[in-house]
Amino acid sequence: NAGVMQNPRHLVRRRGQEARLRCSPMKGHSHVYWYRQLPEEGLKFMVYLQKENIIDESGMPKERFSAEFPKEGPSILRIQQVVRGDSAAYFCASSDLLAKNIQYFGAGTRLSVL
Amino acid sequence: KNQVEQSPQSLIILEGKNCTLQCNYTVSPFSNLRWYKQDTGRGPVSLTIMTFSENTKSNGRYTATLDADTKQSSLHITASQLSDSASYICVVSLNTGNQFYFGTGTSLTVIP
Repeated sequence: NAGVMQNPRHLVRRRGQEARLRCSPMKGHSHVYWYRQLPEEGLKFMVYLQKENIIDESGMPKERFSAEFPKEGPSILRIQQVVRGDSAAYFCASSDLLAKNIQYFGAGTRLSVL
Repeated sequence: KNQVEQSPQSLIILEGKNCTLQCNYTVSPFSNLRWYKQDTGRGPVSLTIMTFSENTKSNGRYTATLDADTKQSSLHITASQLSDSASYICVVSLNTGNQFYFGTGTSLTVIP
């Protein structure tokens, strides 16, 4: 049973480009969470999704950031027109319906904006 | 305000020694508390999880305690190894099921 898979592991973008981060939850998990971790800081909640629905996006910046979790395929965190301040590690976690408060984390995607 | 605070921020110990990390929280209504280990460049990995009724939980050389009355938890590491060098994160969840509060972690360095 593969764990939470994130790709790419490292992503380099120039200012103004778009970044797409992918997260495949653990098999059988229907809940996905995205977190951002700035250097030397703790994880910060961004968004919580179930299949085809955004449940809580209170931690997501209002502009340039969006997330989706389609019926088929991975969850996508999309950052448009990236700026240097978007450079961070982005972690995805998943949980199943019966144990929503037990999360399993992926290895993260490290975004560097030049 | 729901918060999770960890101390110390960083810690350096000699290999073979024991150490204790602290976590204080104000999260309510409380569901469970987890300790994660995050190696540099990796995602967090769960060490222990405790619910309201549990006082202690062990996982090998890691022992977590929970005092739900004082809203304090500790993670005790016995006979530390070099591979214990990592960030240890305390996470508290609400009983609503989808809200998690993360501490900023304690960075542990074990030196030979």
